[in-house]
Amino acid sequence: RKEVEQDPGPFNVPEGATVAFNCTYSNSASQSFFWYRQDCRKEPKLLMSVYSSGNEDGRFTAQLNRASQYISLLIRDSKLSDSATYLCVVRTGFQKLVFGTGTRLLVSP
Amino acid sequence: EPEVTQTPSHQVTQMGQEVILRCVPISNHLYFYWYRQILGQKVEFLVSFYNNEISEKSEIFDDQFSVERPDGSNFTLKIRSTKLEDSAMYFCASSELAAGSNSPLHFGNGTRLTVT
Repeated sequence: RKEVEQDPGPFNVPEGATVAFNCTYSNSASQSFFWYRQDCRKEPKLLMSVYSSGNEDGRFTAQLNRASQYISLLIRDSKLSDSATYLCVVRTGFQKLVFGTGTRLLVSP
Repeated sequence: EPEVTQTPSHQVTQMGQEVILRCVPISNHLYFYWYRQILGQKVEFLVSFYNNEISEKSEIFDDQFSVERPDGSNFTLKIRSTKLEDSAMYFCASSELAAGSNSPLHFGNGTRLTVT
């Protein structure tokens, strides 16, 4: 089983749609969880940390289910500028972050 | 906003040559990292560095690789005897606190290494 697993997509959605991405991780001892965004051939950029209680940042909501080892990201009212690859990231070691392969989102007019 | 800067943006080298990739982390950050991303694949952890020593490394980071903080600002990745499969985008990152404390990693723009 992969350490961090994501559906690669692409998810094609119209502007204004709500879209959800899921991620599963294999190491039950993982402590920290993040969503990063990566534009084509650019560096990853932190979108948000993910907390057990769930957290929201504007149109973005992240949820963590430790029992199921499952992380989600919900994007409401999608914008064209949301088109990117969304990376699920998990800390598995002292400082080692493991990245998923990413889920590609394409928002169309 | 402070940034992690990497040079060069693109490095082309011949197989068997040595390359040094350079990074200037954010000035008040204490933890430094190298990651790589082969085209079309996921971002992979190489090494983390704290207090002038390696704190964690992956199985990818073998004797071919080394890191150094030669002065108070630069953080370098040296790849000896490069192979075709070393071709990738190499990202430097830094964080204020340890990655596990939910302290976010700030990535540089990357150096695209092409080994011919």
